[in-house]
Amino acid sequence: QQQVKQSPQSLIVQKGGISIINCAYENTAFDYFPWYQQFPGKGPALLIAIRPDVSEKKEGRFTISFNKSAKQFSLHIMDSQPGDSATYFCAASIHGSSNTGKLIFGQGTTLQVKP
Amino acid sequence: NAGVTQTPKFRILKIGQSMTLQCTQDMNHNYMYWYRQDPGMGLKLIYYSVGAGITDKGEVPNGYNVSRSTTEDFPLRLELAAPSQTSVYFCASSPGWGAFFGQGTRLTVV
Repeated sequence: QQQVKQSPQSLIVQKGGISIINCAYENTAFDYFPWYQQFPGKGPALLIAIRPDVSEKKEGRFTISFNKSAKQFSLHIMDSQPGDSATYFCAASIHGSSNTGKLIFGQGTTLQVKP
Repeated sequence: NAGVTQTPKFRILKIGQSMTLQCTQDMNHNYMYWYRQDPGMGLKLIYYSVGAGITDKGEVPNGYNVSRSTTEDFPLRLELAAPSQTSVYFCASSPGWGAFFGQGTRLTVV
């Protein structure tokens, strides 16, 4: 129930294309869904996050779509650029009592954007 | 702003040796975490702390120990290193929502 499943494992997109990464979860107590971006040799960095009371959040070229009934959420990268090439992780967490802030991560997606 | 600082960045240990991975944050966050990252496995929670003096086990705590004597510091202790502990270790802190990660420590046990 604590798992977050992420797909695909790897993704190759042409410059200017749309990159889509999907995640699914089981635990309906999750109330915070962030996406992290990680470049080689660096720590994960928070990219964008959503709470389950909204169905979509957009920040620049990055959009999270959230489907509460299906227990799925996805990251869309519009107009993908070579500089977006990185590993992306979805995550989920519960807030309240001793669970606060503990992130459960998906397995990661390695994105390569070809020039 | 330093954020979350981890030391060392790289370390090679022999089987059976012990070491401490240091982590300090300057954001006055109550919540701190240790994760390990293995290829294709995402990040797994080792230990976490909700405040000074309070720690608890995460998903993969065996072979590790932590302490939290101050808000700023959250060291991770490896006792009797084993090859299975070869990994990249990340420390993170949080104000309650989201987390800020350090640059990681790449540990190899040989």
